[in-house]
Amino acid sequence: AQKVTQAQTEISVVEKEDVTLDCVYETRDTTYYLFWYKQPPSGELVFLIRRNSFDEQNEISGRYSWNFQKSTSSFNFTITASQVVDSAVYFCALSAPGRGSNYQLIWGAGTKLIIKP
Amino acid sequence: KAGVTQTPRYLIKTRGQQVTLSCSPISGHRSVSWYQQTPGQGLQFLFEYFSETQRNKGNFPGRFSGRQFSNSRSEMNVSTLELGDSALYLCASSRSQGGANYGYTFGSGTRLTVV
Repeated sequence: AQKVTQAQTEISVVEKEDVTLDCVYETRDTTYYLFWYKQPPSGELVFLIRRNSFDEQNEISGRYSWNFQKSTSSFNFTITASQVVDSAVYFCALSAPGRGSNYQLIWGAGTKLIIKP
Repeated sequence: KAGVTQTPRYLIKTRGQQVTLSCSPISGHRSVSWYQQTPGQGLQFLFEYFSETQRNKGNFPGRFSGRQFSNSRSEMNVSTLELGDSALYLCASSRSQGGANYGYTFGSGTRLTVV
């Protein structure tokens, strides 16, 4: 079965603190893709990062960084020096062929991040 | 370049009615996927269209259907609306079928309320 677990339903921190959002995934496929999306109150899902299963290199983009560890099936997302504008719901998603060869996005439940000024 | 455009943004319908939602993908993208987002079930995959053909389908009843036109624009239809169909419907476009290797760009969604 394919599954994405975001155990943290809601996180609240004070501005400028660092915060890590956890994502654990399950799949039997060897080729798969992992994504993070941000959903502000407007509703649109904003793409943050895509990582394929063969690329375990961690990535940093400004204040954002991602830690992909296949050994623990985790793809965690860290925001350094958080800002109020980072407040949103963040989704981790998995795309894998599953039983067929058709990819589709399997979503985690999302983590609501609240950054207090 | 223009993003993914979904119309209408908001919709209120009565139980038993039907509704059609529209999605215009990014120019050059041939894959359009639809997702339903509800507070209880989260984000769930409805179906994907590529080159006017449905390529993949989620676990939704037959009341949910869709189609794709030759210009890659897609519509989804929900017939005999139920209260539980109230949700945010999101459309995603991608260059390729499946989309995983290129990623997905989402529209702002259509918020459907069934009363």
